[in-house]
Amino acid sequence: DAKTTQPTSMDCAEGRAANLPCNHSTISGNEYVYWYRQIHSQGPQYIIHGLKNNETNEMASLIITEDRKSSTLILPHATLRDTAVYYCIVRASGSARQLTFGSGTQLTVLP
Amino acid sequence: GAVVSQHPSWVICKSGTSVKIECRSLDFQATTMFWYRQFPKQSLMLMATSNEGSKATYEQGVEKDKFLINHASLTLSTLTVTSAHPEDSSFYICSAVTGGSASGELFFGEGSRLTVL
Repeated sequence: DAKTTQPTSMDCAEGRAANLPCNHSTISGNEYVYWYRQIHSQGPQYIIHGLKNNETNEMASLIITEDRKSSTLILPHATLRDTAVYYCIVRASGSARQLTFGSGTQLTVLP
Repeated sequence: GAVVSQHPSWVICKSGTSVKIECRSLDFQATTMFWYRQFPKQSLMLMATSNEGSKATYEQGVEKDKFLINHASLTLSTLTVTSAHPEDSSFYICSAVTGGSASGELFFGEGSRLTVL
């Protein structure tokens, strides 16, 4: 699985959009971009994933660049409960393999 | 989404005792489950892959005789930390794969915090 690079930490004001970047310059054609988050002392929670088109669900939006070398997770209206470590992971489609977690980004939503 | 449940959510034990942690897929069958360990302020590290009906596959550096994994059914995998020591204190998390190998979506349990005194 391709390696990802994320900023160590970010702050965001409550109610504003949180934009979390991820670089995955070595991603291959069959690898999806997955986002998970981990609130303190809980298991990781799935957020969203995509291949090359932008994706949106009730939690977030995922914007993938045309060359697929980077992506951005957008939480449109961050709340205090969104404070967590956010992990960007790339993984091949149709793969039942385990996820390899990097360091992630600690997002702190400020009141 | 699919639900994966771990039990206990936290446990405190004395050094030298063994502790069993259960991971259950509540609404789907999981032929494959993964066990992770997470130390404070660190990321999740894969310990082993648990396959129903066969022996677990351990990552390099993980002692299979110390961390016993049993995956006897399609909905249950157990991790037993044998002769636990304070350095085994950690947050243990399991994940389970839904569907067949063609889909392979992963869902995580809530984690089990082990403290060894």
